[in-house]
Amino acid sequence: SQTIHQWPATLVQPVGSPLSLECTVEGTSNPNLYWYRQAAGRGLQLLFYSVGIGQISSEVPQNLSASRPQDRQFILSSKKLLLSDSGFYLCAWSGSQYQETQYFGPGTRLLVL
Amino acid sequence: AQSVTQLGSHVSVSEGALVLLRCNYSSSVPPYLFWYVQYPNQGLQLLLKYTSAATLVKGINGFEAEFKKSETSFHLTKPSAHMSDAAEYFCAASGTYKYIFGTGTRLKVLA
Repeated sequence: SQTIHQWPATLVQPVGSPLSLECTVEGTSNPNLYWYRQAAGRGLQLLFYSVGIGQISSEVPQNLSASRPQDRQFILSSKKLLLSDSGFYLCAWSGSQYQETQYFGPGTRLLVL
Repeated sequence: AQSVTQLGSHVSVSEGALVLLRCNYSSSVPPYLFWYVQYPNQGLQLLLKYTSAATLVKGINGFEAEFKKSETSFHLTKPSAHMSDAAEYFCAASGTYKYIFGTGTRLKVLA
Protein backbone atom coordinates (compact mmCIF):
# COMPACT_ATOMS: atom_id res chain seq x y z
CA SER A 1 0.00 0.00 0.00
CA GLN A 2 1.01 3.60 -0.53
CA THR A 3 2.07 5.91 2.27
CA ILE A 4 3.09 9.55 2.34
CA HIS A 5 5.39 11.09 4.90
CA GLN A 6 6.09 14.68 5.81
CA TRP A 7 8.67 16.11 8.15
CA PRO A 8 9.11 17.82 10.35
CA ALA A 9 5.67 17.70 11.96
CA THR A 10 6.12 21.08 13.63
CA LEU A 11 8.60 23.87 13.02
CA VAL A 12 9.18 27.26 14.64
CA GLN A 13 11.47 29.54 12.67
CA PRO A 14 12.52 33.19 12.95
CA VAL A 15 11.72 35.67 10.20
CA GLY A 16 14.44 35.71 7.56
CA SER A 17 15.62 32.16 8.20
CA PRO A 18 15.64 29.46 5.50
CA LEU A 19 13.10 26.65 5.20
CA SER A 20 13.14 23.10 3.96
CA LEU A 21 10.12 20.82 4.24
CA GLU A 22 10.29 17.31 2.88
CA CYS A 23 7.66 14.97 1.55
CA THR A 24 8.19 11.38 0.43
CA VAL A 25 5.84 8.80 -0.99
CA GLU A 26 6.22 5.04 -0.73
CA GLY A 27 4.58 2.24 -2.62
CA THR A 28 4.01 3.92 -5.97
CA SER A 29 6.04 5.21 -8.89
CA ASN A 30 5.80 8.33 -11.03
CA PRO A 31 3.19 10.03 -8.84
CA ASN A 32 1.96 13.56 -9.29
CA LEU A 33 3.00 15.54 -6.22
CA TYR A 34 1.46 18.65 -4.68
CA TRP A 35 2.21 21.25 -1.99
CA TYR A 36 -0.68 23.08 -0.36
CA ARG A 37 -0.84 25.67 2.39
CA GLN A 38 -3.62 26.35 4.88
CA ALA A 39 -3.43 29.66 6.65
CA ALA A 40 -5.36 29.97 9.91
CA GLY A 41 -9.09 29.86 9.25
CA ARG A 42 -8.65 29.66 5.52
CA GLY A 43 -9.00 26.98 2.90
CA LEU A 44 -6.43 25.12 0.88
CA GLN A 45 -4.11 27.03 -1.40
CA LEU A 46 -2.21 25.07 -4.03
CA LEU A 47 1.41 26.22 -4.09
CA PHE A 48 3.20 23.83 -6.45
CA TYR A 49 2.62 20.63 -8.32
CA SER A 50 4.91 18.27 -10.14
CA VAL A 51 4.22 15.59 -12.75
CA GLY A 52 7.78 14.29 -12.89
CA ILE A 53 11.37 14.66 -11.69
CA GLY A 54 12.55 18.22 -12.13
CA GLN A 55 9.13 19.36 -13.41
CA ILE A 56 7.62 22.00 -11.13
CA SER A 57 4.60 24.19 -11.75
CA SER A 58 4.08 27.20 -9.52
CA GLU A 59 0.58 28.38 -8.77
CA VAL A 60 1.21 31.41 -6.60
CA PRO A 61 4.13 33.87 -6.90
CA GLN A 62 5.83 34.11 -3.52
CA ASN A 63 9.13 33.57 -1.78
CA LEU A 64 8.73 29.79 -1.74
CA SER A 65 10.16 27.29 -4.19
CA ALA A 66 9.80 23.56 -4.73
CA SER A 67 12.04 20.85 -6.08
CA ARG A 68 11.65 17.20 -6.99
CA PRO A 69 15.10 15.65 -6.96
CA GLN A 70 13.79 12.08 -6.98
CA ASP A 71 10.63 10.42 -8.26
CA ARG A 72 8.96 10.17 -4.86
CA GLN A 73 10.52 13.13 -3.07
CA PHE A 74 9.12 16.65 -3.04
CA ILE A 75 10.79 19.51 -1.18
CA LEU A 76 9.42 22.93 -0.29
CA SER A 77 12.01 25.62 0.39
CA SER A 78 12.49 29.26 1.16
CA LYS A 79 15.64 31.34 1.41
CA LYS A 80 14.10 33.89 3.80
CA LEU A 81 10.87 33.26 5.67
CA LEU A 82 8.21 35.93 6.13
CA LEU A 83 5.65 36.15 8.91
CA SER A 84 2.98 35.45 6.31
CA ASP A 85 4.55 32.07 5.57
CA SER A 86 3.12 30.69 8.81
CA GLY A 87 0.55 28.00 8.26
CA PHE A 88 -0.12 24.32 7.84
CA TYR A 89 1.67 22.79 4.87
CA LEU A 90 0.24 19.71 3.24
CA CYS A 91 1.83 17.44 0.69
CA ALA A 92 -0.33 15.22 -1.49
CA TRP A 93 0.17 12.65 -4.21
CA SER A 94 -1.98 11.17 -6.92
CA GLY A 95 -1.57 8.72 -9.74
CA SER A 96 -0.47 10.11 -13.05
CA GLN A 97 -3.69 9.43 -14.91
CA TYR A 98 -6.44 11.98 -15.44
CA GLN A 99 -8.67 12.77 -12.45
CA GLU A 100 -7.03 10.44 -10.00
CA THR A 101 -7.65 10.75 -6.28
CA GLN A 102 -5.28 12.89 -4.24
CA TYR A 103 -3.99 11.47 -0.97
CA PHE A 104 -2.65 13.76 1.69
CA GLY A 105 0.21 13.59 4.13
CA PRO A 106 -0.08 14.43 7.84
CA GLY A 107 1.10 18.01 7.35
CA THR A 108 3.74 20.33 8.80
CA ARG A 109 2.77 23.15 11.14
CA LEU A 110 5.08 26.14 10.51
CA LEU A 111 5.19 29.13 12.81
CA VAL A 112 7.33 32.06 11.76
CA LEU A 113 8.14 34.49 14.58
CA ALA B 1 -13.55 28.67 -15.15
CA GLN B 2 -14.16 25.73 -12.89
CA SER B 3 -15.16 26.52 -9.31
CA VAL B 4 -16.44 24.82 -6.17
CA THR B 5 -18.70 26.55 -3.67
CA GLN B 6 -19.45 25.30 -0.19
CA LEU B 7 -22.40 27.04 1.40
CA GLY B 8 -21.91 27.71 5.09
CA SER B 9 -18.44 27.97 6.55
CA HIS B 10 -19.81 26.71 9.89
CA VAL B 11 -22.61 24.22 10.48
CA SER B 12 -23.89 23.05 13.87
CA VAL B 13 -26.05 20.00 14.42
CA SER B 14 -27.20 18.11 17.47
CA GLU B 15 -25.88 14.65 18.11
CA GLY B 16 -28.17 12.19 16.33
CA ALA B 17 -29.48 14.78 13.87
CA LEU B 18 -29.09 14.78 10.11
CA VAL B 19 -25.87 16.21 8.73
CA LEU B 20 -26.13 18.12 5.44
CA LEU B 21 -23.12 19.89 3.99
CA ARG B 22 -23.63 21.65 0.71
CA CYS B 23 -21.35 21.75 -2.31
CA ASN B 24 -21.99 23.17 -5.78
CA TYR B 25 -19.62 23.04 -8.67
CA SER B 26 -19.30 25.05 -11.83
CA SER B 27 -17.91 23.31 -14.82
CA SER B 28 -18.81 22.88 -18.48
CA VAL B 29 -18.18 19.17 -18.11
CA PRO B 30 -19.14 17.34 -14.88
CA PRO B 31 -15.85 16.60 -13.18
CA TYR B 32 -14.96 13.92 -10.72
CA LEU B 33 -16.03 15.19 -7.30
CA PHE B 34 -14.63 14.45 -3.86
CA TRP B 35 -15.36 15.02 -0.21
CA TYR B 36 -12.53 15.10 2.29
CA VAL B 37 -12.54 15.40 6.08
CA GLN B 38 -9.84 17.09 8.13
CA TYR B 39 -9.47 16.66 11.87
CA PRO B 40 -7.44 19.24 13.80
CA ASN B 41 -3.75 19.26 12.94
CA GLN B 42 -4.11 16.38 10.50
CA GLY B 43 -4.06 15.93 6.77
CA LEU B 44 -7.15 15.48 4.63
CA GLN B 45 -8.77 12.07 4.51
CA LEU B 46 -10.87 10.97 1.56
CA LEU B 47 -14.52 10.38 2.50
CA LEU B 48 -15.91 9.54 -0.91
CA LYS B 49 -15.50 10.08 -4.63
CA TYR B 50 -17.92 10.52 -7.52
CA THR B 51 -16.70 9.15 -10.84
CA SER B 52 -19.94 9.09 -12.88
CA ALA B 53 -20.51 5.38 -12.23
CA ALA B 54 -23.38 6.06 -9.81
CA THR B 55 -25.05 9.28 -8.68
CA LEU B 56 -25.35 8.17 -5.06
CA VAL B 57 -21.95 7.57 -3.56
CA LYS B 58 -21.39 5.91 -0.22
CA GLY B 59 -18.28 6.71 1.75
CA ILE B 60 -16.64 5.95 5.04
CA ASN B 61 -18.04 6.67 8.49
CA GLY B 62 -21.66 6.49 7.28
CA PHE B 63 -21.44 9.47 4.92
CA GLU B 64 -22.90 9.58 1.45
CA ALA B 65 -23.29 12.17 -1.29
CA GLU B 66 -25.60 12.51 -4.24
CA PHE B 67 -24.54 13.96 -7.56
CA LYS B 68 -27.29 16.05 -9.19
CA LYS B 69 -26.28 17.31 -12.59
CA SER B 70 -29.38 19.50 -12.99
CA GLU B 71 -28.47 21.34 -9.78
CA THR B 72 -24.68 21.06 -10.23
CA SER B 73 -24.59 19.87 -6.65
CA PHE B 74 -22.81 17.21 -4.65
CA HIS B 75 -24.13 17.56 -1.12
CA LEU B 76 -22.77 15.41 1.72
CA THR B 77 -25.16 13.79 4.17
CA LYS B 78 -25.16 11.52 7.19
CA PRO B 79 -28.42 10.38 8.80
CA SER B 80 -27.25 10.67 12.39
CA ALA B 81 -24.41 12.87 13.60
CA HIS B 82 -21.89 11.57 16.06
CA MET B 83 -19.58 13.63 18.24
CA SER B 84 -16.62 12.19 16.35
CA ASP B 85 -17.92 13.81 13.13
CA ALA B 86 -16.83 17.22 14.36
CA ALA B 87 -14.21 18.30 11.83
CA GLU B 88 -13.73 20.41 8.72
CA TYR B 89 -15.07 19.10 5.43
CA PHE B 90 -13.83 20.01 1.99
CA CYS B 91 -15.49 19.47 -1.36
CA ALA B 92 -13.23 19.28 -4.41
CA ALA B 93 -13.50 18.91 -8.18
CA SER B 94 -10.84 17.36 -10.34
CA GLY B 95 -9.07 19.08 -13.15
CA THR B 96 -6.35 17.97 -15.54
CA TYR B 97 -3.70 17.77 -12.84
CA LYS B 98 -5.12 19.94 -10.13
CA TYR B 99 -8.10 19.93 -7.86
CA ILE B 100 -10.35 22.89 -7.21
CA PHE B 101 -11.20 22.95 -3.50
CA GLY B 102 -14.07 24.64 -1.77
CA THR B 103 -13.30 26.85 1.20
CA GLY B 104 -14.41 24.23 3.70
CA THR B 105 -17.25 23.77 6.18
CA ARG B 106 -16.53 23.32 9.86
CA LEU B 107 -19.02 20.93 11.42
CA LYS B 108 -19.81 21.26 15.10
CA VAL B 109 -21.78 18.52 16.84
CA LEU B 110 -23.71 19.55 19.93
CA ALA B 111 -24.32 17.11 22.78
